[in-house]
Amino acid sequence: EVQVLESGGGLVQPGGSLRLSCAASGFTFSNYAMTWVRQAPGKGLEWLSEISVSGDNTYYADSVKGRFTMSRDISRKTVFLQMNSLRAEDTAVYFCAKYRSLGDGAPDRAFGVWGQGTMVTVSA
Amino acid sequence: DIQLTQSPSFLSASVGDRVTITCRASQGIRSYLAWYQQKPGKAPNLLIYAASTLQSGVPSRFSGGGSGTEFTLTISSLQPEDFATYYCQQLNSFPITFGQGTRLEIK
Repeated sequence: EVQVLESGGGLVQPGGSLRLSCAASGFTFSNYAMTWVRQAPGKGLEWLSEISVSGDNTYYADSVKGRFTMSRDISRKTVFLQMNSLRAEDTAVYFCAKYRSLGDGAPDRAFGVWGQGTMVTVSA
Repeated sequence: DIQLTQSPSFLSASVGDRVTITCRASQGIRSYLAWYQQKPGKAPNLLIYAASTLQSGVPSRFSGGGSGTEFTLTISSLQPEDFATYYCQQLNSFPITFGQGTRLEIK
């Protein structure tokens, strides 16, 4: 079964850091771009970041650029989201997702498989 | 950034109804549009990609259409399990963006 599973969420103080992990299974991890999306309580979906198949290219939303860093470890079949300088407005459920299409930039791309999410709460 | 505006934001309908949700993009996005369904406390689930292609396993009562700046998601005959929130998403360019969501409730 194709799965992605997030971990690493929790309570952190404003200005603090947290690293989220997303473990992949059931597919050839090295063939797919991966992405992070978050959802603040009672709000809509917000795309945060994407990492290319090779890991050489990353893309970020303006709201997290310079504070968040996405990376991938092929050997561990895991992507990470390093979150620094956290703010109250970063409080959300963070989802990891796998693209449905192979490679980067496919015309039929979409987020085909999502994890269950991990909650991040930024509060003093 | 490309803005996506869904209409309506809230929709009340009955089982068996045909409903259509519209998603308008602030600039052309070709057919790089996807639709997701989300139920409370759950992750989103991909319904439609490339504007009109049904994801494997999704019931055929769901259909998508459009290209450029105007897109639709249609549910031909609502079932009880379809009451949820629906989001459109553009993947034409970074930053990837989502519509604000359409909440579909039982009348």
